[in-house]
Amino acid sequence: AAGVIQSPRHLIKEKRETATLKCYPIPRHDTVYWYQQGPGQDPQFLISFYEKMQSDKGSIPDRFSAQQFSDYHSELNMSSLELGDSALYFCASSSPGLAGASSYNEQFFGPGTRLTVL
Amino acid sequence: GQNIDQPTEMTATEGAIVQINCTYQTSGFNGLFWYQQHAGEAPTFLSYNVLDGLEEKGRFSSFLSRSKGYSYLLLKELQMKDSASYLCAVRVYNQGGKLIFGQGTELSVKP
Repeated sequence: AAGVIQSPRHLIKEKRETATLKCYPIPRHDTVYWYQQGPGQDPQFLISFYEKMQSDKGSIPDRFSAQQFSDYHSELNMSSLELGDSALYFCASSSPGLAGASSYNEQFFGPGTRLTVL
Repeated sequence: GQNIDQPTEMTATEGAIVQINCTYQTSGFNGLFWYQQHAGEAPTFLSYNVLDGLEEKGRFSSFLSRSKGYSYLLLKELQMKDSASYLCAVRVYNQGGKLIFGQGTELSVKP
C-alpha cells in the first residue's frame, strides 16, 4: 500500500540558509500535518492543512511557512535557519471520515526528513 | 492547556507482559492514540480509543477511562523487536485533528 512520501530524507544546511521540505500524502488523503521532533523529544505539531487551506497552527516559527497544493502535496519552507532547527520533520496525512471530517481518522506518518543545521 | 504524562522509561523481559500508562488533562478530548517509534524512524500507529474500555489488537491492547483521564497500552508476549519508544497522543476537538504527544516511554526488552 502507498505510504506518505517525504523528500529529501536528509538535508544539511548552514545557518541562515533556507530549506524546503516536501510531503506527498497517501492518495485520497486530504489532510496533511507537519511535526517537528528534536533529539530525545516528542513530536511537536507545527501546522496542518485540510483541502488546501490551513486548518490549524501550532508552534511554528514565523521564519517557517507552508502550503498545500492542488494535488494535496505540501511543502514546508524554512528560512534563516538556526542551529535549533536541527530535528526530524515528519509529515502525516489522514483521510476523510465517514462524516467527511478528516479529524476522526488516524494519521499516517511519513519517514521524516532529518534536517541538520551547521 | 494540555498535559500528557507517561513514564520516561521501562524495562521488561522477553515473553513477559508490560503495561505503559498515560494520564492526560485536556479540554475537548476527541480520542487517544498510541504510536510506536523506533529511533530515527516515523511513529507507527498502534491503537485508538475514543470510548471507555479495552481495544484489543493481537499482542497489543489499549484501555481508556475518560472520566479518569487515563489510558494504558498493554503489550503481551514481549519480543526483542518491541524495544522502542511508545508515544501516547491526544486529539482535541476543533483543532484540525492535530495530535498532542506525551514525551514517550522508552521500553527496553531484555532476554
